[in-house]
Formats: sequence, C-alpha cells, structure tokens
Amino acid sequence: EVQLLESGGGLVQPGGSLRLSCAASGFTFSNYAMNWVRQAPGKGLEWVSSISGSGGSPYYADSVKGRFTISRDNSKTMLWLQMNSLRADDTAVYFCAKVRYFDSSGYPSLVHLQDWGQGTLVTVSS
Amino acid sequence: QSALTQPASVSGSPGQSITISCTGTSSDVGAYNYVSWYQQHPGKVPKLVIYDVNNRPSGVSHRFSGSKSGNTASLTISGLQAEDEADYYCSSYTTSNTLVFGTGTKVTVL
Repeated sequence: EVQLLESGGGLVQPGGSLRLSCAASGFTFSNYAMNWVRQAPGKGLEWVSSISGSGGSPYYADSVKGRFTISRDNSKTMLWLQMNSLRADDTAVYFCAKVRYFDSSGYPSLVHLQDWGQGTLVTVSS
Repeated sequence: QSALTQPASVSGSPGQSITISCTGTSSDVGAYNYVSWYQQHPGKVPKLVIYDVNNRPSGVSHRFSGSKSGNTASLTISGLQAEDEADYYCSSYTTSNTLVFGTGTKVTVL
C-alpha cells in the first residue's frame, strides 16, 4: 500500500523559511516522479512543483519559482520542499503526491497524481 | 498560467446524469490528452477518478466518464448518488511543462 506522510508545516513569519518533508513507502520510490500541490483554506488546488524519479528535471509554478526548491533522496525514500521568502499567500495545506506512471513510461513527471498524502498546513503570518 | 475554467456548482437528483466542463486553451487542454479529474470530499484528500481524458483507475465507479473536444474537457457522472457529492477538479499538462488545475466544481445531490 502506498503511504505518503508529510511533515514540517507550521506557523512562520513573512519572509521566513520552512522545509517540508514527505516520507514515502509501499512502492519503488525511485521509479516515480513526485509532486507538491497546495490548497489555500477554502480554495482550490494549485500545483507547486515536480521532480523526476531520478531527482532531475524539477519544475515549478511561476508563483513559487526562485523561492521554493524541490529535492528527493531515493535511498531514504524522502521528498522535500524548501520554501524561502514566504508570503501570506503561501498559506495552504501542502500535499505530496505520487504520479500514476513510472518514469520510463514516457509520461510527463507531473500528470495524473494517483496517490496523495494527508497534507501539512503552512501558515504565513506575523 | 491561468486556472482552467469550471462551473462553480452543478446539481442533480439521484439517478440523474450531470456533466462538468473544464475549459482551457490550446496551450493546455487542447494541446495534450493529459487531462485528469479529481474528486475531493470535504476535509479529505483529492482522489484521482479520471486520467488520460477518459480512463478510470481501478476501483473508480464506471459511472464516471470523461471526454474532450478541442480546448474543453468534460466529466460526466451518471446515475448520480449521494456519495458523489463533493468538489471536482480537472487538471491538464501545459506546453510550459507545468500542471494547471481547474477552478473546481461543487457537485450537490438534491
């Protein structure tokens, strides 16, 4: 059974930093791209970032480019999102999500998010 | 990248069919068949119900179906049931190597 467990959320001041973690289990982690998706309170889903199974080819939404960095360690089956220069509009629940198709399938690394974690809440406020 | 456009709400009676539209551009929905649909019950995690425009993951009811014409994708729920009451989001890969979600549709079972 695929399990994704996010952690690291909390309250941070504007301009501050936070590092989110996602512990993965139940599948061959290195075979799948991983994504971060966020949802502001009472709002819709917003894709944040993706990374291929090998750890290359990171992609970012324009809203976080230059401020957030996605990374992974396949030996530890861990995914991270380093968030810097945080703003009030970054307040959201952050989900990590595994794609449906493995890396060599030819599908882009950020489509068809098959499995989701429970999310971790990030609140940016003074 | 602007969000894909969905109706804010759609409603139907039990047993009826409803269709949710998802309108994008030639840079996203119209460019690829990488359209997905997600169901999210209040306080719950999103669940993939349609991928590749019209495919259902294992375990998803056959009452869910998808289609696409030009820049608009659609999700149809037939034989509407109380458990289908939820928020639904479409998503599409874009020519900028990003993923864009729809604005979301609240489905109400009358």
